[in-house]
Amino acid sequence: SAVISQKPSRDICQRGTSLTIQCQVDSQVTMMFWYRQQPGQSLTLIATANQGSEATYESGFVIDKFPISRPNLTFSTLTVSNMSPEDSSIYLCSVQGEGYTFGSGTRLTVV
Amino acid sequence: GDSVTQMEGPVTLSEEACLTINCTYTATGYPSLFWYVQYPGEGLQLLLKATKADDKGSNKGFEATYRKETTSFHLEKGSVQVSDSAVYFCALSLTGTASKLTFGTGTRLQVTL
Repeated sequence: SAVISQKPSRDICQRGTSLTIQCQVDSQVTMMFWYRQQPGQSLTLIATANQGSEATYESGFVIDKFPISRPNLTFSTLTVSNMSPEDSSIYLCSVQGEGYTFGSGTRLTVV
Repeated sequence: GDSVTQMEGPVTLSEEACLTINCTYTATGYPSLFWYVQYPGEGLQLLLKATKADDKGSNKGFEATYRKETTSFHLEKGSVQVSDSAVYFCALSLTGTASKLTFGTGTRLQVTL
């Protein structure tokens, strides 16, 4: 199955700033998925990123807040914009394979 | 819409005890079912999966059987170890195309000596 390198692994950011999270996959994949895991909660899908087209966002998530880039079949970024403490979460990317493979996650704390 | 319901945690067991974590689902089609495990401070790892009714997924002593008649996919292990302490997530995806995972709320398992 695919191996995903996700970075940064953690960050502490000031409110009002933005953070870009990167995921690099060791093989070409059609779709990449971005999830959020709020403290003590389950995972919620933010958006699905398909190479060459705009990402598809789930209800409650908007492109202005979570812009996504997908420049090629092995790479994607998620930006968390104009952050507030409510954005403190773990953010994970995922690709479909034999099961679904996940990156190691980015633990974001907004202060 | 599609959903997954998992038993509430935390579950606390003594080492070598039997484990069952209940999971039921609602889906419009014929989903694939998964169990993921999240060890403390780590990302999600696929534990096992089943893609059709009556399939049994197994890994590391854990098992789960896809029961279409009861829409369930309960996770079981005959003898847990301290190293099994983690959060376990039941999830589904619809088959056929690249599809998102829908997760249950997660069940925290704590195994003590």
